[in-house]
Amino acid sequence: DAGVIQSPRHEVTEMGQEVTLRCKPISGHDYLFWYRQTMMRGLELLIYFNNNVPIDDSGMPEDRFSAKMPNASFSTLKIQPSEPRDSAVYFCASSLNRYAEAFFGQGTRLTVV
Amino acid sequence: DQQVKQNSPSLSVQEGRISILNCDYTNSMFDYFLWYKKYPAEGPTFLISISSIKDKNEDGRFTVFLNKSAKHLSLHIVPSQPGDSAVYFCAASVNNNDMRFGAGTRLTVKP
Repeated sequence: DAGVIQSPRHEVTEMGQEVTLRCKPISGHDYLFWYRQTMMRGLELLIYFNNNVPIDDSGMPEDRFSAKMPNASFSTLKIQPSEPRDSAVYFCASSLNRYAEAFFGQGTRLTVV
Repeated sequence: DQQVKQNSPSLSVQEGRISILNCDYTNSMFDYFLWYKKYPAEGPTFLISISSIKDKNEDGRFTVFLNKSAKHLSLHIVPSQPGDSAVYFCAASVNNNDMRFGAGTRLTVKP
């Protein structure tokens, strides 16, 4: 397995535009997590899914953020409209089950200008 | 609400010496703790974990200690090597359902 795959690796967009980040978890993993890394706050959990169902989205900063997992092999994190303070590295991770460690993708570096 | 805290943003150690990375948490329900290592431009990779029923877990040069009464855990690297230079994240969860990370500590091991 190629591991957790995120796309794009880098995204530069203008304020107000919609941004969609994509993630393909490791096949067979039941849990999928979206994290955001910033210098000030480190890694923050935004939302996680179990068997494609969102379990906890309390980390999603605002209504501008939304995440979906239409099937077991794909998830998206959307920001609409984007703002400069959304600039960060966004990581997707998946784990086999609730007792296993998470495997991270390489991240998407988002810059909103 | 930072439930997991790494109060030292950086640490510098000489090669061959011990590196001690510290982590504190506030949620007494956490029962599973992990350390992740992150190199620049890469995602974090799992390093070592410990469940709350233990107070120590060792894997080669890496040992994690858990002090539940103090809500404190630490990662020891002995001996430290230049390749250990990275950002180390402490994470904690309840039944591994909802992993919370600290802000990270940047370790630099000098040759």
